[in-house]
This record gives sequence, structure tokens and C-alpha cells, in this order.
Amino acid sequence: DAGVIQSPRHEVTEMGQEVTLRCKPISGHNSLFWYRQTMMRGLELLIYFNNNVPIDDSGMPEDRFSAKMPNASFSTLKIQPSEPRDSAVYFCASSSRPRLAGVRETQYFGPGTRLLVL
Amino acid sequence: AQKVTQAQTEISVVEKEDVTLDCVYETRDTTYYLFWYKQPPSGELVFLIRRNSFDEQNEISGRYSWNFQKSTSSFNFTITASQVVDSAVYFCALTQDTGRRALTFGSGTRLQVQP
Repeated sequence: DAGVIQSPRHEVTEMGQEVTLRCKPISGHNSLFWYRQTMMRGLELLIYFNNNVPIDDSGMPEDRFSAKMPNASFSTLKIQPSEPRDSAVYFCASSSRPRLAGVRETQYFGPGTRLLVL
Repeated sequence: AQKVTQAQTEISVVEKEDVTLDCVYETRDTTYYLFWYKQPPSGELVFLIRRNSFDEQNEISGRYSWNFQKSTSSFNFTITASQVVDSAVYFCALTQDTGRRALTFGSGTRLQVQP
């Protein structure tokens, strides 16, 4: 089975440009998460969706960041305009519907997108 | 608030040595979930194990074993007879039973296994 798919794997852009990161979750998974990994802050959640609906976006740094999930098999994370401090690895993860109420299912991560903003 | 501490920033061992990676966590929840992920040099995050707080049995999977102790809030990971392919950054993570579903990650332990 295919895992979480992310594209592009690497992105180099100039400050001020729009950047769009893409994610395809594991088929059948109904929750999708966007994380960011930096040396200074480690791994932190940006936003997550449940059944395509954004549930918690408290980790989104500022209005320059936006995320969408138009259907169960696709999500985007957009940065507009990008800044050098956005340089990081962005991970998408997905998890299945819990079999029991309140049980936390495992989050499976994609390979990440390494973003460099010059 | 939740917190995961991996005090060992970097560990270097020689192949075939056993190595233990420490993880200490803090949470106010009575039900929670603990995870270990591996991040090899290629950069992806690979799931290794999930443990529920109500299941204190230790687990062994091949050369890997995990020791969960609620009394000390620790979830340590041991690699027996380490191999060069085990070289990676290992992350311990925690999520709570209710509310926010974010994984709270530790800062990671970089393991270098020398041939």
C-alpha cells in the first residue's frame, strides 16, 4: 500500500514568492496533519483536518499560511508570501478513524518537503 | 500542558553494542499514548511503536524493545546488537486522550552506530 505522498520533495524559492505544498494521505484515512520541523523548534503541529474539515489551526504561524483539504485524498499548505524564516521541513501525516471513541490512532508521516526560502 | 524530554542529544556506539534511548514525559491526562519514530538520514519519519497508557506491558520486536514505566513517566527504547543501519534520529512523542490531537515530540536523540 502506498504511504503518505508529498510533493514536491524539495523546493527552493525566493522571498516573497508563493509556495504550495501538496499531500495525499493514505487511502481510507480520515485525519490529516501538517507538521513543521526546524532546528530551533523541533517538530510542531501546524493544522489538522478531520473528515476534510479543519479542526485545529492554532499552530499556523500567521496569516501568510493557509491550508485546504478539498477532498479526502488531497490537501495543500500554502505560504504567501514566503519568508526566509519559513525554511523548514514540512511533513504531512494521516491517521485512520478510531475504532473506539476517544482512542488515538497512529499518525503515519510522509517523506516531507524540504523548503528553502532565499 | 504536555512535555516530552529526551535528555540524550547524541549517542555514539560501536556496532553490536546495546543502546538505550531515554524518554521522560509529562502529562496531566490519565489516558495518553506514547510513540517512537525513527528519522533516518534520508529524512522521513518512520513509525516504530505506539503504547497506550493503560497497557504497561513491555514490548519486544526483533532487536528493538521498549520499557514503559508509569511510575517514573518513562518510555525507554533499547536496541540490542546495534547495526549501522540503526543510525538515525529517534523521536519519542506523546498525545493525549482528549482535546488536541497534536503529537508532542521530544527533541530527538541522534544515534550514530560506528562499524
